[in-house]
Amino acid sequence: GQQVQQSPASLVLQEGENAELQCNFSTSLNSMQWFYQRPGGSLVSLFYNPSGTKHSGRLTSTTVIKERRSSLHISSSQTTDSGTYLCALGLPGTGSNRLTFGKGTKFSLIP
Amino acid sequence: EAAVTQSPRNKVAVTGGKVTLSCNQTNNHNNMYWYRQDTGHGLRLIHYSYGAGSTEKGDIPDGYKASRPSQENFSLILELATPSQTSVYFCASGDRAANSDYTFGSGTRLLVI
Repeated sequence: GQQVQQSPASLVLQEGENAELQCNFSTSLNSMQWFYQRPGGSLVSLFYNPSGTKHSGRLTSTTVIKERRSSLHISSSQTTDSGTYLCALGLPGTGSNRLTFGKGTKFSLIP
Repeated sequence: EAAVTQSPRNKVAVTGGKVTLSCNQTNNHNNMYWYRQDTGHGLRLIHYSYGAGSTEKGDIPDGYKASRPSQENFSLILELATPSQTSVYFCASGDRAANSDYTFGSGTRLLVI
């Protein structure tokens, strides 16, 4: 089965609303990262967060290892937040730091 | 500024032809990776490397070869391209010691006809 599952697959909100994106994993992990991808664009690292809570501007990432989940919260969303958000796991024992990705959440804003 | 640069940005290839995708990094990272991204599958790891002269198979290596002639350069080679290899390919570099230091290139859009 898939090791990393993201939900929802797509999310449409009005500008100003808060968004909550989820990432659930079925295996133990070495690391957890969140990336942002603009349509047709490259991936930009948002958070490296293997456990606990981290903040960056309007973004908050929380990883709870015991519950095998990580979340990304976007507060007061703006049209520039539109794009795809991907979570990725680094698995134990892989000194290569290779990542296993979820399929992403496509996030769209209505002005 | 440290970066990962891929070339070409776009490529059209014929079935059965040879395709080489190139990647150069100035991050001085030991590890480099090739992923492909397809709708419904997300990003999947094809090959990766620990350093110059090293190549390792990822999750979907069939039909692909890789070459790491130097710390900076990592190539992905399709010896006999097939339409199923039409995809967007991303190269990335990562620091062996720091899981957090992961940089992606801008991607190569490959169409095999």
